[in-house]
Amino acid sequence: EAGVTQSPTHLIKTRGQQATLRCSPISGHTSVYWYQQALGLGLQFLLWYDEGEERNRGNFPPRFSGRQFPNYSSELNVNALELEDSALYLCASSLAGQGVDEQYFGPGTRLTVT
Amino acid sequence: DAKTTQPPSMDCAEGRAANLPCNHSTISGNEYVYWYRQIHSQGPQYIIHGLKNNETNEMASLIITEDRKSSTLILPHATLRDTAVYYCIVRVLGNTGKLIFGQGTTLQVKP
Repeated sequence: EAGVTQSPTHLIKTRGQQATLRCSPISGHTSVYWYQQALGLGLQFLLWYDEGEERNRGNFPPRFSGRQFPNYSSELNVNALELEDSALYLCASSLAGQGVDEQYFGPGTRLTVT
Repeated sequence: DAKTTQPPSMDCAEGRAANLPCNHSTISGNEYVYWYRQIHSQGPQYIIHGLKNNETNEMASLIITEDRKSSTLILPHATLRDTAVYYCIVRVLGNTGKLIFGQGTTLQVKP
């Protein structure tokens, strides 16, 4: 069974540009989660999508946004990039957004903002 | 979600059991204990979770005290590949979706 996949593996952008990161969940999973892991700050929850709807959002500015497509894949967009947005962005998926379903993570996209 | 406390680092000899403790003294009755690990620069990996009974799977065992204020993750025969940061997370039964990661315990398995 294929795991969560993310693309691209690495992304280099300059300040002010926009970045688009993509995630494909495990087959059958309807929920997708996004996390940011910046150096020294640990893993922080960004967004949760389930059945195409945004269900929860972490403490991040509105320039972090995303969407979930009918096939349950997801996209994270970061507008007006700042240097501190440099981080590993991790996507996870689970069977459903209810209860205590465990989340399975992808390998991440390393975003570097110069 | 309840806060967790873990030692920042631990060492374990290869082939021996690794016992990773976690304190969650403010845990509520509807909160589960989850364990994840993150091997350097990879995505976190789900290990195990439980509510109040001890749990075991092919990766590890989870021992939760009777008062549920602490738990221990046991890797029965640690290998070098088990070197990672281990996160203990207490998650409310509900629809918040998010996992709150603390600093975790860096486990170094030594030959």
